[in-house]
Amino acid sequence: DVKVTQSSRYLVKRTGEKVFLECVQDMDHENMFWYRQDPGLGLRLIYFSYDVKMKEKGDIPEGYSVSREKKERFSLILESASTNQTSMYLCASSLYVSGSSYEQYFGPGTRLTVT
Amino acid sequence: QKEVEQNSGPLSVPEGAIASLNCTYSDRGSQSFFWYRQYSGKSPELIMFIYSNGDKEDGRFTAQLNKASQYVSLLIRDSQPSDSATYLCAVGPQGGGNKLTFGTGTQLKVEL
Repeated sequence: DVKVTQSSRYLVKRTGEKVFLECVQDMDHENMFWYRQDPGLGLRLIYFSYDVKMKEKGDIPEGYSVSREKKERFSLILESASTNQTSMYLCASSLYVSGSSYEQYFGPGTRLTVT
Repeated sequence: QKEVEQNSGPLSVPEGAIASLNCTYSDRGSQSFFWYRQYSGKSPELIMFIYSNGDKEDGRFTAQLNKASQYVSLLIRDSQPSDSATYLCAVGPQGGGNKLTFGTGTQLKVEL
């Protein structure tokens, strides 16, 4: 079974703090993703990584950065947290299936509240 | 125009009935299609994927793909209260690859 874990289920931070969200997968997947999910807006891709030290911006990268120093770990960093970054953050890793298709598997999520 | 569209619901069905969830997508070249189930407060869980036109069955779930009409559907037979959740449709890009585009989901309620 694919296992994706996230460091915290719930997190409360103050405006202006630097926030680290950690994600670890144990299946040797090359590809990892960070999403945020908000009511009515669905899942939006923040960043993804296709290899160690390789990253690519998603649809909403502003205010975020990422780090991938090891294959199994992908970190999302909020440089200076703001209230509009209050959201559910979901990490995923993907498995190559067939043809050119990949399946994504999600971690349990981190509900971040910025006050 | 949204790239992946789903009716937000809620879709209410009685226990034991067939629930039909639909999704349309805009990129005609999309090659892979996924259905995720998400319980309230939980993360999405992959339940079905389909790559070829036609039907794919897995237990009580059937995914249907019609590339010409650009829609994909999920049928849930013998619906149970435990099926009550939000169902997300996700579409892979033209040419294949990693990045999925998600719909906003359809909320399903199975009533006793």
